[in-house]
Amino acid sequence: SQQGEEDPQALSIQEGENATMNCSYKTSINNLQWYRQNSGRGLVHLILIRSNEREKHSGRLRVTLDTSKKSSSLLITASRAADTASYFCATDAKDYKLSFGAGTTVTVRA
Amino acid sequence: ETGVTQSPTHLIKTRGQQVTLRCSSQSGHNTVSWYQQALGQGPQFIFQYYREEENGRGNFPPRFSGLQFPNYSSELNVNALELDDSALYLCASSPAPGSLNNEQFFGPGTRLTVL
Repeated sequence: SQQGEEDPQALSIQEGENATMNCSYKTSINNLQWYRQNSGRGLVHLILIRSNEREKHSGRLRVTLDTSKKSSSLLITASRAADTASYFCATDAKDYKLSFGAGTTVTVRA
Repeated sequence: ETGVTQSPTHLIKTRGQQVTLRCSSQSGHNTVSWYQQALGQGPQFIFQYYREEENGRGNFPPRFSGLQFPNYSSELNVNALELDDSALYLCASSPAPGSLNNEQFFGPGTRLTVL
């Protein structure tokens, strides 16, 4: 079973628009990470937010974390065609494994 | 700095056969984790190896086994293949297990098809 659940499952936006996706999880975590995957290939780490942090920025990415609601959001601003990919949240519950959600598929239209 | 590499890229096997997948960890990383990603799903943790010993296992049967070598490269072996084993198998390396960040660096994956 998956720890995290992303919402929506799929998202289609115009180039230049912002894309927002959400992740909910079930158990207490040490940190939460977001990864990107292009066309069923390897995952690329985007950003990590620790359980004692509420917001983090990296370039055009903004991540929020609400541990009371067990949820996180990833915002991609000024989207580009190259942002077309699947995005996964992964939780780290102080053990040795990452637990991934099923992902959000983002399509950026030119 | 060399990233995580996996071989082969693609593999086709038939039910009942055995398969070995290989992974070379990123330079300086002593921990390797394996994940199975079925089509349309997120990766599922199989197991992790640290300094040549299994350091945690997910909900996979014993026919999934692994090895880690002194140079920290790793193998995933699957015996008695089943149709449901068809998936993308991802290897990820990290500097140490349970480190503060636990950021994992993924290889490109091996696509296994079981007929």
